[in-house]
Amino acid sequence: AQTVTQSQPEMSVQEAETVTLSCTYDTSESDYYLFWYKQPPSRQMILVIRQEAYKQQNATENRFSVNFQKAAKSFSLKISDSQLGDAAMYFCAYSFNNAGNMLTFGGGTRLMVKP
Amino acid sequence: DTGVSQDPRHKITKRGQNVTFRCDPISEHNRLYWYRQTLGQGPEFLTYFQNEAQLEKSRLLSDRFSAERPKGSFSTLEIQRTEQGDSAMYLCASSLAGATDTQYFGPGTRLTVL
Repeated sequence: AQTVTQSQPEMSVQEAETVTLSCTYDTSESDYYLFWYKQPPSRQMILVIRQEAYKQQNATENRFSVNFQKAAKSFSLKISDSQLGDAAMYFCAYSFNNAGNMLTFGGGTRLMVKP
Repeated sequence: DTGVSQDPRHKITKRGQNVTFRCDPISEHNRLYWYRQTLGQGPEFLTYFQNEAQLEKSRLLSDRFSAERPKGSFSTLEIQRTEQGDSAMYLCASSLAGATDTQYFGPGTRLTVL
């Protein structure tokens, strides 16, 4: 079974600084997708960034980028120029390219942004 | 595009009662997913539909849980004979099957079982 592990329950960053959130996963599949979702307090989960496993190039979305290390099964999220609105729970998730693509989530990292 | 909506947003019930939650997906999305999220944890997959067909239901937590999507549009999740351990956030997501198949989440229904 696939598992996703986020080893940092909480992280904090100073506004305008850079922070990296860690995620590792376990799978025997070669074709899969990885995601980072953001869940602000009392608000719905939104997709931050996604990575297809067959792509070697790391995905980027504005201030958000990933470091995808397929051999190491590592998928970290880097947030540059952190803003107060980045404060949230961040979940790493995996889906296998089968019918349905159900998501397997990690336990989450709470990110606090200090002004 | 109004996003995924869920109703009710909060539900308080007494142990032993039945509850039903509704999810309305993004209109053009043909896949619909249900997840459960307990406090401080990541969401846990329960079941999903493609159109009206329930293609995966082995992850439903017990036979007290059931879901339907009768016309391939909205879906309902029912919990019978609720227990205190059912207290959680129930999340719905939808996607368009295809190369990207990105799931978009609703705001969730928070269930409290007294």
